[in-house]
Formats: sequence, C-alpha cells, structure tokens
Amino acid sequence: RKEVEQDPGPFNVPEGATVAFNCTYSNSASQSFFWYRQDCRKEPKLLMSVYSSGNEDGRFTAQLNRASQYISLLIRDSKLSDSATYLCVVGGSQGNLIFGKGTKLSVKP
Amino acid sequence: DAGVTQSPTHLIKTRGQQVTLRCSPKSGHDTVSWYQQALGQGPQFIFQYYEEEERQRGNFPDRFSGHQFPNYSSELNVNALLLGDSALYLCASSLQLRWAAQYFGPGTRLTVL
Repeated sequence: RKEVEQDPGPFNVPEGATVAFNCTYSNSASQSFFWYRQDCRKEPKLLMSVYSSGNEDGRFTAQLNRASQYISLLIRDSKLSDSATYLCVVGGSQGNLIFGKGTKLSVKP
Repeated sequence: DAGVTQSPTHLIKTRGQQVTLRCSPKSGHDTVSWYQQALGQGPQFIFQYYEEEERQRGNFPDRFSGHQFPNYSSELNVNALLLGDSALYLCASSLQLRWAAQYFGPGTRLTVL
C-alpha cells in the first residue's frame, strides 16, 4: 500500500462547480497533513494545512478523519485559476514530506 | 525577503556523467531538504541537511549525495547518471524546529540522454 494515495483524476469541471478531492494515508502515527497546489512545470506551493477539527480558507475547506486515515479538500465556486494539480501531503517520521501522486483539476469556462 | 532559489533552471546531461545542483534557502531557514519529482508523480524525499550534516535520507542510492555549507546553502550531487534520473529536482527549506513548514524552490529540470 502506498503511503499516500489520491484520486487519480483528472477532474474536468465547469466554472462555479464544487469539486472534492480525497486522500488516504497509511501511517496512523502521522501528525502533519497538508494540501499543496502545483501549477504546470512549477514548484509545489502550500495551499493549506489540515487540522482534525477541519479548517476553511475562503472557498477551500479541508477535513481530516484520523480514524479512517482520510483527508479531503473541497473547492467551492471553482475558478479558472484553480486549474492545477492538487497534492495531498503527510508529514513523515524523518522530517520529510510524503506526497501523493496528485490529482489534476481543469476548470473550464 | 528572498525565497528559495535554485540553479541551474535546466540541465541536460548524458548517461554516466555527474551533476551538481545548488540551492539557497529562504532567509532565516537552517534546514534544506531535496526531493525528486518524476513526470506524473509526486515529489519523493531524497535527503535533508541541517547543521551541515545529512540528518535523514529517503530510499535513494549512494549515487545521490549532498552537502550543506555554513551559510545554509546546499548542493545535490548525482554520480553515474541514469536515464531514470531525469526529473525535476526540488529544494525545500525550513526551520529545524518547524520542519513541516517547507518552502520549495522553483526546481532544476534535469534531462539525462
């Protein structure tokens, strides 16, 4: 089982749609969780950290379910500028970040 | 406030050659981590440097080595290049005490022919 697994995508949605990404992780001892965004041929950039209580940043909502080892990201009212690859990331025991393969989102007019 | 910088931007090498990639961390950061991102994959952890020592290492062969300098900048060296080493190499900097908050540089795209 991979350490971090994500929906393979791609997700093609119209502007204004709500889209949800899911992710599971294998190490129940993991303590840090993030969503990163990566534009084509660019570096990953932190979108938001994920907390057990759930957290929201504008149109973006992240949830963590420790019992199920499941992380989600919800994007409401999608914009063209949201088109990117979304990477689910878990903090590893070595002080490293463990990335999923990413899910590509294309928002169409 | 300068972010993480990497050089060169692109590099083309042939099999068997050696390559050195460079990274300058974000101002105030003392820890540098290197990641390899193959096409269509998420970044994979290579190793991490703090206080000029390799502190942690991912599942990469000894052909991958590194160094950290007193000014916290870092180098990644890859010997005996293979075609499979073609990837985007990302440097991330952080504070040791807040290692999870890693800031990535733009990367070096290495092509091995």
